[in-house]
Amino acid sequence: KAGVTQTPRYLIKTRGQQVTLSCSPISGHRSVSWYQQTPGQGLQFLFEYFSETQRNKGNFPGRFSGRQFSNSRSEMNVSTLELGDSALYLCASSLEAGSYTFGSGTRLTVV
Amino acid sequence: GQQLNQSPQSMFIQEGEDVSMNCTSSSIFNTWLWYKQDPGEGPVLLIALYKAGELTSNGRLTAQFGITRKDSFLNISASIPSDVGIYFCAGRGSSNTGKLIFGQGTTLQVKP
Repeated sequence: KAGVTQTPRYLIKTRGQQVTLSCSPISGHRSVSWYQQTPGQGLQFLFEYFSETQRNKGNFPGRFSGRQFSNSRSEMNVSTLELGDSALYLCASSLEAGSYTFGSGTRLTVV
Repeated sequence: GQQLNQSPQSMFIQEGEDVSMNCTSSSIFNTWLWYKQDPGEGPVLLIALYKAGELTSNGRLTAQFGITRKDSFLNISASIPSDVGIYFCAGRGSSNTGKLIFGQGTTLQVKP
């Protein structure tokens, strides 16, 4: 059974650019959540999608957005990148109200 | 952002020793999860707890969901070198949300 797949694994972007990260959940999982991990702030919840609808949202600026497709795959987008957006972005998928399985993450570096 | 209070922050132990770490919160949680993260990888689920008072084991790992629903602990018995990593607790306040609140992590180092 394939796990949660995140692409790309590594990304380097310039300030002001935008970026799109992709997450393919475990087959059958309808809930996809996104987290930002930094040394200073730890793991912070960005948002969650369930059946193509955003179900929860964390305390991040509007530059961070996401969506979920009918096959449960999800993307997150960050516009007008700032240096502080450099982080490991993690995606997690779950069956309804279950435990969450994380992908290996996308390491974003903003220069 | 909101975080759980996880302690200790780091531990350096001898192989074969037992380890204990815990998380506390000012809020009530319906679910407690314990994860382990290796460098460059995502967190891997170790144990999930869904009921207050629940005690669950996974091999050498044992975790408990506190009666007050505001705390949880993880024990590792007879530690081995591959236990090295960062351990995170995570709490979920409601059953219909994927929003997990994470602790700051406990870094475990094991001396052979």
